[in-house]
Amino acid sequence: GAGVSQSPSNKVTEKGKDVELRCDPISGHTALYWYRQSLGQGLEFLIYFQGNSAPDKSGLPSDRFSAERTGGSVSTLTIQRTQQEDSAVYLCASSLELGFTPPEIDNYGYTFGSGTRLTVV
Amino acid sequence: DAKTTQPPSMDCAEGRAANLPCNHSTISGNEYVYWYRQIHSQGPQYIIHGLKNNETNEMASLIITEDRKSSTLILPHATLRDTAVYYCIVRYWGDMRFGAGTRLTVKP
Repeated sequence: GAGVSQSPSNKVTEKGKDVELRCDPISGHTALYWYRQSLGQGLEFLIYFQGNSAPDKSGLPSDRFSAERTGGSVSTLTIQRTQQEDSAVYLCASSLELGFTPPEIDNYGYTFGSGTRLTVV
Repeated sequence: DAKTTQPPSMDCAEGRAANLPCNHSTISGNEYVYWYRQIHSQGPQYIIHGLKNNETNEMASLIITEDRKSSTLILPHATLRDTAVYYCIVRYWGDMRFGAGTRLTVKP
């Protein structure tokens, strides 16, 4: 697609429910990233995919959070048993990066989606 | 363990150049300097990146000091729409870690 697409754009859920957030990266982008941004705060790195593999899961806040990516394309971030502190904007980004391809040919950096605003009530 | 240091906020008059500084004194030889900005309630937007030479594109110019320990992002003619948080990031590859950035306010 032309850009990174995230769905839903807004999600209100009750405390304790599970939610799934979806990210469709730019076609051909092999790297995909999830961040979250609480109100008035900076971006918190969650997880990074190179293809379908996640080399670094250390940013996931707890074991209630999981993410997967299939077919080197769409990614899903799942939050189980949501808590009020999970309320935030969840941002997805993708980039061209291929394995150890250096930034010399990375002319566009990361492209971010518009995010999913999650509200846990 | 912040790799970059930026002032928390800056103001700039509309039509004037905005010069946003960033210190990265521990930068490694193969690490690039990236700049992104985030306009309120939107995802961050890539602006520019560079290694050691000055870079210019349609959005901005990036000036990196000879010792690579600091850099300046220049918006040559700031407009009200340039009001945003600007992030300076040092990285070679892998995920991008965003700090607090500089909140630039362009005033009429």
